[in-house]
Amino acid sequence: GAGVSQSPSNKVTEKGKDVELRCDPISGHTALYWYRQSLGQGLEFLIYFQGNSAPDKSGLPSDRFSAERTGGSVSTLTIQRTQQEDSAVYLCASSLSIGGGGETQYFGPGTRLLVL
Amino acid sequence: AQSVTQPDIHITVSEGASLELRCNYSYGATPYLFWYVQSPGQGLQLLLKYFSGDTLVQGIKGFEAEFKRSQSSFNLRKPSVHWSDAAEYFCAVGYSGGYNKLIFGAGTRLAVHP
Repeated sequence: GAGVSQSPSNKVTEKGKDVELRCDPISGHTALYWYRQSLGQGLEFLIYFQGNSAPDKSGLPSDRFSAERTGGSVSTLTIQRTQQEDSAVYLCASSLSIGGGGETQYFGPGTRLLVL
Repeated sequence: AQSVTQPDIHITVSEGASLELRCNYSYGATPYLFWYVQSPGQGLQLLLKYFSGDTLVQGIKGFEAEFKRSQSSFNLRKPSVHWSDAAEYFCAVGYSGGYNKLIFGAGTRLAVHP
């Protein structure tokens, strides 16, 4: 079946502009995650959605970052007033359920964001 | 707080040589442990994972990893490296008893010489 898809694959924007990144999880996966991978860094957790529960936003670095998940499926990560330090690869992952914490997360190819 | 350390930023091996990538974690309870691989321009692919039971875990592409509680380690091994194994490898730890947020190490970039 289809994996996690993300769009756009690359995004170049000017400092101060807003950007929206999209994630389509694997069909049937109830959990969705956003991570950020900065140059030379590991992956940094941003936000987590599980079904209709309130999302865990504990990883969002500032109030310029927000995310929503419509209909329990597609998710959009929005970065307002982008800064150069927001340049990174943004990865989305999905998994079947929260269970006991060990479900495999399936990752999309990422969106590479460059803020000039 | 949970943390994951991958001490080696870059490793270079010759094709056919054995490989060991190190991973140490900090977590108070029994962790869930994962190794992912990221090829250039690709997303992360799961190589293997440890939840409980046998501490030697077999994964895809001929990889294996051993959980050593006493050393807080989960090192990845492969007996004979192929040129196609050149990639970046990430170790990650997940919470037990909670949701599935993963804490990742900084990654080890593997280069393979012919």
